[in-house]
Amino acid sequence: EAGVVQSPRYKIIEKKQPVAFWCNPISGHNTLYWYRQNLGQGPELLIRYENEEAVDDSQLPKDRFSAERLKGVDSTLKIQPAELGDSAVYLCASSLGLVITYEQYFGPGTRLTVT
Amino acid sequence: AQSVTQLGSHVSVSEGALVLLRCNYSSSVPPYLFWYVQYPNQGLQLLLKYTSAATLVKGINGFEAEFKKSETSFHLTKPSAHMSDAAEYFCAVSEGSSNTGKLIFGQGTTLQVKP
Repeated sequence: EAGVVQSPRYKIIEKKQPVAFWCNPISGHNTLYWYRQNLGQGPELLIRYENEEAVDDSQLPKDRFSAERLKGVDSTLKIQPAELGDSAVYLCASSLGLVITYEQYFGPGTRLTVT
Repeated sequence: AQSVTQLGSHVSVSEGALVLLRCNYSSSVPPYLFWYVQYPNQGLQLLLKYTSAATLVKGINGFEAEFKKSETSFHLTKPSAHMSDAAEYFCAVSEGSSNTGKLIFGQGTTLQVKP
């Protein structure tokens, strides 16, 4: 069975440009997470979805970040406009549900470099 | 608020030696605790989790961790290191008292295994 798929794997953009990341979770997983991992740090949750509903977006910088999960499957995370400090790896994960003991399966991430 | 501290950003061991990665947590409620491993350019993979059952938890690849409430610790060990164990390891704690809380990750420990 395929794991969590993310694209692109790498992205280099200039500051003030927009960028979008795509995630396809494991089939049947209702919960989807977006994390940001800065260099040398652990992942930090940006937003999590239960089906189509964003159940926790308190850490998402809403002035420039947006996310959607149409039809409760694929998800897109967007940054507009990007800033130098947005350079990081953006990880998508999915799980069967919100219960924390459900294992989160992570994708390989998108490495964003903002110049 | 819950938090995690991983002591030592880099740990180096010889192949065949004991691996000990330290994790201390702060939580006002009984925690759920996790160890994840991240290989270069890959997403995180769950090694093991503590969910208030047995205090000694066995995971994949020969790793285990012991929950010690009195020491607020959840250290990860492996009796004999393999070259393939070289990776970054993250300890994580659940946030809040609900079992639908999010994960709070530590800053990670890079394990180097010398031949």
